[in-house]
Amino acid sequence: DIQMTQSPSSLSASVGDRVTITCRASQSIRTSLNWYQQKPGTAPKLLISFASTLQNGVPSRFSGSGSGTDFTLTITTVQPEDFATYFCQQSYSSQYTFGQGTKLEIK
Amino acid sequence: VQLVDSGGGLVQPGRSLRLSCAASGFTFDDFAMHWVRQAPGKGLEWVAGISWNSGSIAYAHSLKGRFTISRDNAKNSVVLQMNSLRSEDTAVYFCARDSHSSVGAIGGYFAHWGQGTVVTVSS
Repeated sequence: DIQMTQSPSSLSASVGDRVTITCRASQSIRTSLNWYQQKPGTAPKLLISFASTLQNGVPSRFSGSGSGTDFTLTITTVQPEDFATYFCQQSYSSQYTFGQGTKLEIK
Repeated sequence: VQLVDSGGGLVQPGRSLRLSCAASGFTFDDFAMHWVRQAPGKGLEWVAGISWNSGSIAYAHSLKGRFTISRDNAKNSVVLQMNSLRSEDTAVYFCARDSHSSVGAIGGYFAHWGQGTVVTVSS
């Protein structure tokens, strides 16, 4: 199975900071990488598909990059509503593995 | 698009439970469907997926054959039958809609999710 490893597992930031989250796949997944945001008690929300395609309605401060095995999610200017947990997911294989998550907390 | 998950509850170890997801607001048989779970305080775990016509089905290898996913396109619903439940199956279970019609189609993503249904396995 393809393993997805996110880093860091948690991150403290202040409003206005630039934040980067990394996701690494155990083998090449081309650009079959999705990013989700989840807030407590709610379902995940899709932010980015195909490694870098921003979903409609998602603020442009979010961006994704990468291909092959290494990917990043960047928030250029963190806003109060961005404090949440972020997950990557591969859709290169039919096992659809998620990363373990990165919790973005207020510093 | 609306997905409504139901069927969760408290169940004893070794027993069975059947989860349902009712879909509306889109052409149901155009899309593959999935179940994803989240144990308390843990991350997301993909459980199972089924293609638009039930022709392709995939399960997380960790389940070892205990779960069965099915769909009824006439009723716009997808079901997860869970047997031989264990304490480690305790989780919130979400159904999700794939962007593609087939499970395993490269590049699929889950833009629509149900609200989740809570399964607690305990004696």
